[in-house]
Amino acid sequence: EVQLVESGGGLVQPGGSLRLSCAASGFTFSSYWMSWVRQAPGKGLEWVANIKQDGSENYYVDSVKGRFTISRDNAKNSLYLQMNSLRAEDTAVYYCARVRFSIYGGNRLYYFDCWGQGTLVTVSS
Amino acid sequence: QLVLTQSPSASASLGASVKLTCTLSSGHSSYAIAWHQQQPEKGPRYLMKLNSDGSHTKGDGIPDRFSGSSSGAERYLTISSLQSEDEADYYCQTWDTGFQVFGGGTQLTVL
Repeated sequence: EVQLVESGGGLVQPGGSLRLSCAASGFTFSSYWMSWVRQAPGKGLEWVANIKQDGSENYYVDSVKGRFTISRDNAKNSLYLQMNSLRAEDTAVYYCARVRFSIYGGNRLYYFDCWGQGTLVTVSS
Repeated sequence: QLVLTQSPSASASLGASVKLTCTLSSGHSSYAIAWHQQQPEKGPRYLMKLNSDGSHTKGDGIPDRFSGSSSGAERYLTISSLQSEDEADYYCQTWDTGFQVFGGGTQLTVL
């Protein structure tokens, strides 16, 4: 069974740091792009970051560039999100998601086909 | 700029059908999308990927009651024989070079 389990969330003061982890099982972790997606309280889903299978490429939403770093350890089947200089607006449930690739009629799509249960990050003094 | 637009809310009666819409921004009408469901207090669940010609591939265990279709820049999710557990938020999602985009989500109420 494919499973993603996030951990590491909690309460942190503005300006602080936190490291999220995602433990993957049930599939060949090193074969997939992976992502972090967040959801602020009462709001919709927002993509945060992507990382390629070997970690050689990553992408971020503009609002976290320079503050967040996505990384992975394929030997440990784990995905990470290092979050620095946290702000109140980073308060959200953070989900780990597996990314699948599809190409059809010349159109490419990277989509999320498996999600974790999420971990809550609260940034508050 | 790639944007996905969804109506904030929809409602339909138990046992009826409902069609949710996701509209791609101008210049992006050929894009494929994915649909995701989020039941209250749960993480999202992948439902299907949907191409511009209406062909779609559902995730494992997704009931036949869920289907997808397309017309121009619009992508649809149809749920038939509505059940109480279908009451949830539904998000469409697509991709452009290096980043993913979500629609704002549609909150579905089953009456």
